[in-house]
Amino acid sequence: DVKVTQSSRYLVKRTGEKVFLECVQDMDHENMFWYRQDPGLGLRLIYFSYDVKMKEKGDIPEGYSVSREKKERFSLILESASTNQTSMYLCASSPGAYYNSPLHFGNGTRLTVT
Amino acid sequence: TQLLEQSPQFLSIQEGENLTVYCNSSSVFSSLQWYRQEPGEGPVLLVTVVTGGEVKKLKRLTFQFGDARKDSSLHITAAQPGDTGLYLCAGDGSGRGATNKLIFGTGTLLAVQP
Repeated sequence: DVKVTQSSRYLVKRTGEKVFLECVQDMDHENMFWYRQDPGLGLRLIYFSYDVKMKEKGDIPEGYSVSREKKERFSLILESASTNQTSMYLCASSPGAYYNSPLHFGNGTRLTVT
Repeated sequence: TQLLEQSPQFLSIQEGENLTVYCNSSSVFSSLQWYRQEPGEGPVLLVTVVTGGEVKKLKRLTFQFGDARKDSSLHITAAQPGDTGLYLCAGDGSGRGATNKLIFGTGTLLAVQP
């Protein structure tokens, strides 16, 4: 079974702090994704990566950056956390072979910015 | 912008009842996936539908992709408490490239009371 592990289940940070969310997958997947989940809005794509050191903006990249130095690890960075970034963050991975490959999700990190 | 609207947003029913969840868009999708998310966990893929008019069954769950590939439905027969969760549809938007940058619906939160 594919395992996607997010380093923290809960995080509380202060406004203006730099925040790192870490995600590791163990199935040698090419694609990795960061989503945020808010009630009534579903999942919205922040950034994704289809190869090491490659990244593309998703639908809501403002205020975020990412890093993928190794294939198995994809980090989401909040450069200066703000209260409107309080949310559930979900990392996912998928193999790169097919356009409709299923996403395998981690269990999420619930971030609160005060 | 491609959007996927799900209805209803919330559904609370008794064990043994039937229900249908809808996923609608004005855009055409190459394929559509359904995920279920249980509390404290990430979404897990239930099914992928690819062909217009396609019907897939997963035990008591029946998934249908609209003929025009703009909408989908999920029907649950004789719901069980174990069906409780957030149901998300996700479309592979045309023109978004080979990498599966899915667009997620707004979600339907289902609670099945014993």
